[in-house]
Amino acid sequence: EPEVTQTPSHQVTQMGQEVILRCVPISNHLYFYWYRQILGQKVEFLVSFYNNEISEKSEIFDDQFSVERPDGSNFTLKIRSTKLEDSAMYFCASSLDASGEQFFGPGTRLTVL
Amino acid sequence: AQSVTQPDIHITVSEGASLELRCNYSYGATPYLFWYVQSPGQGLQLLLKYFSGDTLVQGIKGFEAEFKRSQSSFNLRKPSVHWSDAAEYFCAVGAKEYGNKLVFGAGTILRVKS
Repeated sequence: EPEVTQTPSHQVTQMGQEVILRCVPISNHLYFYWYRQILGQKVEFLVSFYNNEISEKSEIFDDQFSVERPDGSNFTLKIRSTKLEDSAMYFCASSLDASGEQFFGPGTRLTVL
Repeated sequence: AQSVTQPDIHITVSEGASLELRCNYSYGATPYLFWYVQSPGQGLQLLLKYFSGDTLVQGIKGFEAEFKRSQSSFNLRKPSVHWSDAAEYFCAVGAKEYGNKLVFGAGTILRVKS
C-alpha cells in the first residue's frame, strides 16, 4: 500500500540554524500539507500546497518557513532560522483531491537546542 | 472560526468494556470528519472517515463513529476495548469551503486497564 514517507525521523539543530524537512507524498496525489504537533499539544495546520503554489497557510507559517516541491516526488519544509519554540513533530500529508482523505507520514521530530 | 472539541483529555476503561470518545465541532459549512489514532512517538493512523451518506461509519480495528448533524458531533465507539487500543485519539474536521486544511481536536488519551 502506498504511503507518505518523511526524512529524517529525528533532527537535532542549534538555534538559528536552517533545517529542511523532507517528505515524499503518495505518487499520484496532488495536494500536499505540513502540520506540526508541539509536545503534548494538538496537531496544527501549517500550510497546504497545490499546483506548485501555496493554497493556504496558517498564522504560524511566517516568513521563516517556506515549502517547495523541487522535483516530481519530494515536498520540503524549510525553516530558515530555527527557534526553540520550533521544536515539535512535523507531519507531512498528501491527498488525491481537495476534500479527500489526507494520508499522513510518520513525522519528523525536530529538536532545537 | 472552525473548532473541534474533544471534552475528555483522559479516559480509562477496562479491557473488554465498551468505549465512546466524544467529538464536537463548530463549522460554518458541511464538514467532513475523521478519527486518527496516535501511539506514543508514532504518526497518525486513520481509523475512519465520514464524507457523506450513511451517518454510521465503520473503521479499522473494530471502531465505528456516528455523525449527528443536529448535535454537531462525531463520536467514536468500540464495543469491546483491547489493551492494544491504548493510545491517543484525535478527531479532525475539514470542509471544502475552508480550503483543505484539517482542524484537529486536542486529543483524548485512552488508557486500558486489565
